[in-house]
Amino acid sequence: AQSVAQPEDQVNVAEGNPLTVKCTYSVSGNPYLFWYVQYPNRGLQFLLKYITGDNLVKGSYGFEAEFNKSQTSFHLKKPSALVSDSALYFCAVRQAAGNKLTFGGGTRVLVKP
Amino acid sequence: GAGVSQSPRYKVAKRGQDVALRCDPISGHVSLFWYQQALGQGPEFLTYFQNEAQLDKSGLPSDRFFAERPEGSVSTLKIQRTQQEDSAVYLCASSLVAPSGDYEQYFGPGTRLTVT
Repeated sequence: AQSVAQPEDQVNVAEGNPLTVKCTYSVSGNPYLFWYVQYPNRGLQFLLKYITGDNLVKGSYGFEAEFNKSQTSFHLKKPSALVSDSALYFCAVRQAAGNKLTFGGGTRVLVKP
Repeated sequence: GAGVSQSPRYKVAKRGQDVALRCDPISGHVSLFWYQQALGQGPEFLTYFQNEAQLDKSGLPSDRFFAERPEGSVSTLKIQRTQQEDSAVYLCASSLVAPSGDYEQYFGPGTRLTVT
């Protein structure tokens, strides 16, 4: 079985400050890890993924995430948050040999001007 | 290029009615997925197709749920005798299939189903 935990329901940050959204996972074998963002009344938009290689992966809109195998974490980060980053963020995992994604419960990010 | 499209975007059904939700994947995408997203929760896997073959339907919550992709492109998720607990957003996703498995899923905007 595979699972994802996003321990924070909401993260509040001031515009221009660094943003971190936490994610831990559990999966058999090597994990493939993903971050998606969801804006109101819209589908999920892909931000970035970790498959193999460098533990720090860079994605869309200035986001990056760090894979930590020993802590089974894949936290999403952005050095300087924008008001437009306010949205719902989902972390997801799948087995390397699998297909289906398992999502966390989501973290709502609110960036205040 | 065109992304994943879903129709209708909103559907209201009376309890006991049958509904059909349509998904048009990105052209050339071999894999197609259906997810159910309840209010305030993350999406949950329902079923997976590779071309026209339904390879995994382990997430379908009951035998009232049925999905098909007869020609390996458009897919339909059908829910028979809808119940209130079926109210959710139904998301469709498609992806390429890379030999290494290195691919991401692209999601449609979803169909919001409300059962009254």
